[in-house]
Amino acid sequence: EAGVVQSPRYKIIEKKQPVAFWCNPISGHNTLYWYLQNLGQGPELLIRYENEEAVDDSQLPKDRFSAERLKGVDSTLKIQPAELGDSAVYLCASSQQGGGEQFFGPGTRLTVL
Amino acid sequence: GQQLNQSPQSMFIQEGEDVSMNCTSSSIFNTWLWYKQDPGEGPVLLIALYKAGELTSNGRLTAQFGITRKDSFLNISASIPSDVGIYFCAGQKSNFGNEKLTFGTGTRLTIIP
Repeated sequence: EAGVVQSPRYKIIEKKQPVAFWCNPISGHNTLYWYLQNLGQGPELLIRYENEEAVDDSQLPKDRFSAERLKGVDSTLKIQPAELGDSAVYLCASSQQGGGEQFFGPGTRLTVL
Repeated sequence: GQQLNQSPQSMFIQEGEDVSMNCTSSSIFNTWLWYKQDPGEGPVLLIALYKAGELTSNGRLTAQFGITRKDSFLNISASIPSDVGIYFCAGQKSNFGNEKLTFGTGTRLTIIP
């Protein structure tokens, strides 16, 4: 069974440019998470989806970050415009509805110049 | 956002040595988890703990859920080269459901030849 798929794996952009990350969760997993991992730190939740509904987006900086999961399967996280401080790894995770282990993807490493 | 306190921050050991690390929080968690993250990959779950005082093993790994519910410990016996990586604790407020994980700051394990 395929794990959580993320693309791209690496992205380098200049500040003020837009960027988007894509995540395809494990088949059958209704819950999808986006985490931000700064260098030398543990991941921190940005947003959690139950199917297509964002049920926890309290940590998402809504002035520049947006996310969608239109059909309740794959998801896109967008930053517009990117700032230098956005350089980090963006991790996607998924789990079965109702609880259970969160499985993480390999992440997208973003570098903003 | 909140990050749990992990110690030590890094460890340099010889192959075959035992390893101990811990994680503390200022607030109570009802689920404690231990993850390992290799370079360029997402965290992978090692052990999950659901009850205060619980002691759980997974091969050479043993983890304990502190009785105050504010801490947890991970031990690795007879370390081998593939144990190298970053170990993260994570807490979850509930015993069920898909709420967010609060991660620790990580312990980096290095094996000296």
